[in-house]
Amino acid sequence: AQSVTQLDSQVPVFEEAPVELRCNYSSSVSVYLFWYVQYPNQGLQLLLKYLSGSTLVKGINGFEAEFNKSQTSFHLRKPSVHISDTAEYFCAVSENNQGGKLIFGQGTELSVKP
Amino acid sequence: EAGVTQFPSHSVIEKGQTVTLRCDPISGHDNLYWYRRVMGKEIKFLLHFVKESKQDESGMPNNRFLAERTGGTYSTLKVQPAELEDSGVYFCASSQVAGTSYEQYFGPGTRLTVT
Repeated sequence: AQSVTQLDSQVPVFEEAPVELRCNYSSSVSVYLFWYVQYPNQGLQLLLKYLSGSTLVKGINGFEAEFNKSQTSFHLRKPSVHISDTAEYFCAVSENNQGGKLIFGQGTELSVKP
Repeated sequence: EAGVTQFPSHSVIEKGQTVTLRCDPISGHDNLYWYRRVMGKEIKFLLHFVKESKQDESGMPNNRFLAERTGGTYSTLKVQPAELEDSGVYFCASSQVAGTSYEQYFGPGTRLTVT
């Protein structure tokens, strides 16, 4: 059965430092990969997605992620974070022909400190 | 354009009571999804509507949960009777077309607390 693992539940980082949020998945079929962000008191917002093609995907707010099929990973990165990036980040996968239902990881709380 | 809205934002009920959560998707979105996040756990899929039809309800935990989507517009999720383990945040999402290529837009969630 497919599953998603986010290796870090909490990531504290100083402002302007780089950050990487890790995500690994397992699936027996091809998957599509997503990162969502949830700011306090808001719904989930799509940051970026990988469907096919280039393995390096750029999203909103300066985030990017790289799909690594051999390592079944889809880590999220940002070279320089801001206080406003403080939020919870969710990695999710969806299998083809499954109606779009998303399987989520446990979430990573990113805390950016001044 | 209004986003996905959910009502209420919070609900506190006693074990054994009934609660109904409502989701209004983005206008014109045929696909509506319900998800739930129990505290400390991952967000889990509950079910998927295409218009008024249930496309996939494989994630519904048990028969105490009943989801409907009247006329293919808004959806309700009723829990009857509620149990302590039903506490969590219930998210609704909608998309214009089903499938992985199309973004799901999420509502802010309803936080349900069963005491």
